[in-house]
Amino acid sequence: DTGVSQDPRHKITKRGQNVTFRCDPISEHNRLYWYRQTLGQGPEFLTYFQNEAQLEKSRLLSDRFSAERPKGSFSTLEIQRTEQGDSAMYLCASSLPYNEQFFGPGTRLTVL
Amino acid sequence: DQQVKQNSPSLSVQEGRISILNCDYTNSMFDYFLWYKKYPAEGPTFLISISSIKDKNEDGRFTVFLNKSAKHLSLHIVPSQPGDSAVYFCAANFNYGQNFVFGPGTRLSVLP
Repeated sequence: DTGVSQDPRHKITKRGQNVTFRCDPISEHNRLYWYRQTLGQGPEFLTYFQNEAQLEKSRLLSDRFSAERPKGSFSTLEIQRTEQGDSAMYLCASSLPYNEQFFGPGTRLTVL
Repeated sequence: DQQVKQNSPSLSVQEGRISILNCDYTNSMFDYFLWYKKYPAEGPTFLISISSIKDKNEDGRFTVFLNKSAKHLSLHIVPSQPGDSAVYFCAANFNYGQNFVFGPGTRLSVLP
C-alpha cells in the first residue's frame, strides 16, 4: 500500500451538475477525513469517519454535500447541484487513532 | 475569524542557512500542533508535531518550538536545502479532537 489515493485527480463540471469523488485510505487506517482547500488557504475540515461511522461534520458541509464510507474502507464525497463557489481542491486523509493524518493528492474541482 | 495564522505568505532563504516559519493561534484550548509540508500537485505531508506539555520537539533538521503564553509556535529548519522549498502549513486541535484547524500556509523558497 503506497498511500492515500483519490480519484479523479481533476474534474471539470457545469454549474448544477452532480459530482462524486472517491478516496482510498491507507488500508490499516480506520479514520478517514475530507478537507477542502481554496487558493491561498490551508485545508478546511469537512467531515471525518471512524470506520463506517461519520462522527463529525463541519458547518461548511452544506446539505448539498454528502459523504459515505459504507464498508469502512473507501469513501465517496458527493456534491449535488454544484455551484461556482464549490471550485476547490478536495483532500482526503486517513490516520490511526490519535496519530498524524496522511493526505492524498487531492481532487481539483472546477465548476464552470 | 482565523484561529491559526501564518502571517508571512512567503519566505526566501539561502541554502545552508536557517529557515524560521512562524505560526500564531488564538484559541487557548489548542493543545496539539503539527506542521505539514506541501509540494505542488501533492497532498500535504506530515513533518513534525508538538503537544502543549512540551516547548520543543526535534526531528533531524526540523525543530518546532511552542510558546503557550504567546500562543506562538515556530518551525526551524537547519540547514535549509533546496528540496525544502514547499508550502508549509501549521495546524492545531484540542483534546485529541479530529477537527484540525490549518493556517493559510507559508511558501518557503530555498535558494542555491
